[in-house]
Amino acid sequence: NAGVTQTPKFQVLKTGQSMTLQCAQDMNHEYMSWYRQDPGMGLRLIHYSVGAGITDQGEVPNGYNVSRSTTEDFPLRLLSAAPSQTSVYFCASSDPGQLTEAFFGQGTRLTVV
Amino acid sequence: LAKTTQPISMDSYEGQEVNITCSHNNIATNDYITWYQQFPSQGPRFIIQGYKTKVTNEVASLFIPADRKSSTLSLPRVSLSDTAVYYCLVGYTGRRALTFGSGTRLQVQP
Repeated sequence: NAGVTQTPKFQVLKTGQSMTLQCAQDMNHEYMSWYRQDPGMGLRLIHYSVGAGITDQGEVPNGYNVSRSTTEDFPLRLLSAAPSQTSVYFCASSDPGQLTEAFFGQGTRLTVV
Repeated sequence: LAKTTQPISMDSYEGQEVNITCSHNNIATNDYITWYQQFPSQGPRFIIQGYKTKVTNEVASLFIPADRKSSTLSLPRVSLSDTAVYYCLVGYTGRRALTFGSGTRLQVQP
């Protein structure tokens, strides 16, 4: 069973480029979210979704877009990459009513030069 | 939103029991206490969750006193593979997303 799958695992972007980080889950979870983790710090919430067609902003949403057209997928788009977006990005999913037990992907390490 | 406070780092040796305490003075009535483990270059992994008293699973035990203003994660007989960052989170299970602090970096020595 795959759980939460993130692609790519590593990515280098030039400033100003755009890209999409992919996240897919096979557990039929309604709730999905994106976090970023900077060196030596905890995770900070970027965007989250409570179901297909519904998204909302988290703590650090600027510079990122999300959409949720299916239950399984929750892509994160960087509109115009900046060096400040260099980070490790994690996608998570969970069952409604059990949101504190989240399943995380392996992460995408993004470097913006 | 209840704020949590936990030690920045801890050191231990293989075979010892490790107790990591988390303070959450403003915990709300419907909040649960949840602990996650994160290995380098991996996403966090749910370890254990509790509301009050004691919870035990195959990985750890969680002790919560009656006032619920703190909790202690207990790892029995740690090994090198338990070296990780441990996060204490407080929130109700219907909350839409998790709030992570900086965690406790546990280093297990041989």
